[in-house]
Amino acid sequence: AQSVTQLGSHVSVSEGALVLLRCNYSSSVPPYLFWYVQYPNQGLQLLLKYTTGATLVKGINGFEAEFKKSETSFHLTKPSAHMSDAAEYFCAVSDPYSSASKIIFGSGTRLSIRP
Amino acid sequence: DTAVSQTPKYLVTQMGNDKSIKCEQNLGHDTMYWYKQDSKKFLKIMFSYNNKELIINETVPNRFSPKSPDKAHLNLHINSLELGDSAVYFCASSPRTSGRNEQYFGPGTRLTVT
Repeated sequence: AQSVTQLGSHVSVSEGALVLLRCNYSSSVPPYLFWYVQYPNQGLQLLLKYTTGATLVKGINGFEAEFKKSETSFHLTKPSAHMSDAAEYFCAVSDPYSSASKIIFGSGTRLSIRP
Repeated sequence: DTAVSQTPKYLVTQMGNDKSIKCEQNLGHDTMYWYKQDSKKFLKIMFSYNNKELIINETVPNRFSPKSPDKAHLNLHINSLELGDSAVYFCASSPRTSGRNEQYFGPGTRLTVT
C-alpha cells in the first residue's frame, strides 16, 4: 500500500522568502511522485512529476522538488515566494507498475504569502 | 480550449433529491476519474473508468453511480442526496490506465445539500 504525509497543514512565508513544503511517502515499489497546486475555486494543476532518473525535478512557476529515497521524501521548494504562489499544494504518489492508475494524495498544505 | 470540463460548477439542492454532474475531456485520454474533496481539502478517489469500463470503485455508497457513454465523458449520478454529500467533486483524466501518468483535473463542481 502507498501513502503520503504532508507535514504542516499551513505554511506562511514572506514574499521573497524561501518556500519549503514537506512531503514524505510510503511505497513498497519505486514510486512515481507528483506535486499538484490548487488555486482558490479551481481544479488541481500539475506542478511537477518524478518518474526515474534525475532526482531533482524542476516544475512550473519556479518550483522544484528533490526525490530522496533514503529519507522517503519529496519536498517542494521555491527560492523566492511570490504573492501569486498562495494556494493549496498536494503531494501525491502512484505505483508505476499498477494497471489501475490510482494516485494517492496527501492531505494538502495551504501556502500563505505575507507582503 | 477547456481540457476537462464539468457542469454545473455549483449545485445547491435539498436532501433526498437526485442530481447529476457531467464531465467531458477533449484530450483524447482513455481514463477518467471522479474525486470527492471534503471541507478540509482531503481528496479521495471515488471511481475510475478506462474506455468506458469501470476499473476503480472505492468504498462509495450505492447512491453514487458513474456512467461513461464514451471515453470522453464520465457522468456522476447521485440518488437520495444526504447532507454529508456536500463537497467539491472533481473529474480528472489521464492518457491511459497506468500509475505512470499524471492526471488532468476539471474545475470542480461544488455540491451543497441543504
